[in-house]
Amino acid sequence: GNSVTQMEGPVTLSEEAFLTINCTYTATGYPSLFWYVQYPGEGLQLLLKATKADDKGSNKGFEATYRKETTSFHLEKGSVQVSDSAVYFCALSDNTDKLIFGTGTRLQVFP
Amino acid sequence: EPEVTQTPSHQVTQMGQEVILRCVPISNHLYFYWYRQILGQKVEFLVSFYNNEISEKSEIFDDQFSVERPDGSNFTLKIRSTKLEDSAMYFCASSAQRGNWEQYFGPGTRLTVT
Repeated sequence: GNSVTQMEGPVTLSEEAFLTINCTYTATGYPSLFWYVQYPGEGLQLLLKATKADDKGSNKGFEATYRKETTSFHLEKGSVQVSDSAVYFCALSDNTDKLIFGTGTRLQVFP
Repeated sequence: EPEVTQTPSHQVTQMGQEVILRCVPISNHLYFYWYRQILGQKVEFLVSFYNNEISEKSEIFDDQFSVERPDGSNFTLKIRSTKLEDSAMYFCASSAQRGNWEQYFGPGTRLTVT
C-alpha cells in the first residue's frame, strides 16, 4: 500500500544552518505531497504542498520539490531559526479522504 | 483565524470505560476526520465523515469506535470500551473539500488508558 518514510530525528542544528529533512514515498498513481509542522502544544499545520511532479512547494523559507523519478519530497531551508524548532511530518494524499503520514522528524535549533 | 478545537486536552480513563473525544471543526467546513498517533509511531488515519455519514474508515476503526455530529458544531469520537492499546494522541481535522485540499488539524487529545 501507499506509505511515507522520513528520516529519523532529532535533527539538531545551530541557528542559520542549512536544513534538509528527507522524505520518500511509495504510491500508485499520482499522489499529492505535503509537509505539516507541529509546534509544541499545537496541532498539525500545513507548511507546504505539491500536487504534481516537478512542482515546488514553498512557505516561510521552506521548500520541497516533488520528484517522481526518485519518489522524494525532501524539505529544505537555507537558514533555520530557533523558532523553527518543531516536529515536521511528510504526508501524501492518494486522492482519497485520508492523509498518509510519515513518523515525523523533530528539529531542534539552538542559538 | 478560524481553528479546530478539541476537548479535553488530556483524558485518563480505566480499561473498559467509554470515552468521548470532542472536536469543533472550522464552521464552514464539510469534511471531518479523526487520526491518532501512538507514542513514537506514525499519525494514522481513522475515519472521515461527510454529510452525516462515514465516507471512509481504516481497519483500526472497528466496532469499538463510532463518530457523530450531534449538532451543527461538534464532531465526536466515541470509544465504547477502551483498551490499553487505545492510548494515543487523537487528532481531529476538517477541510472545505476532500482529496488534495488542506486538512486543518486541532491540537489533539492525549488519551491514557490505565
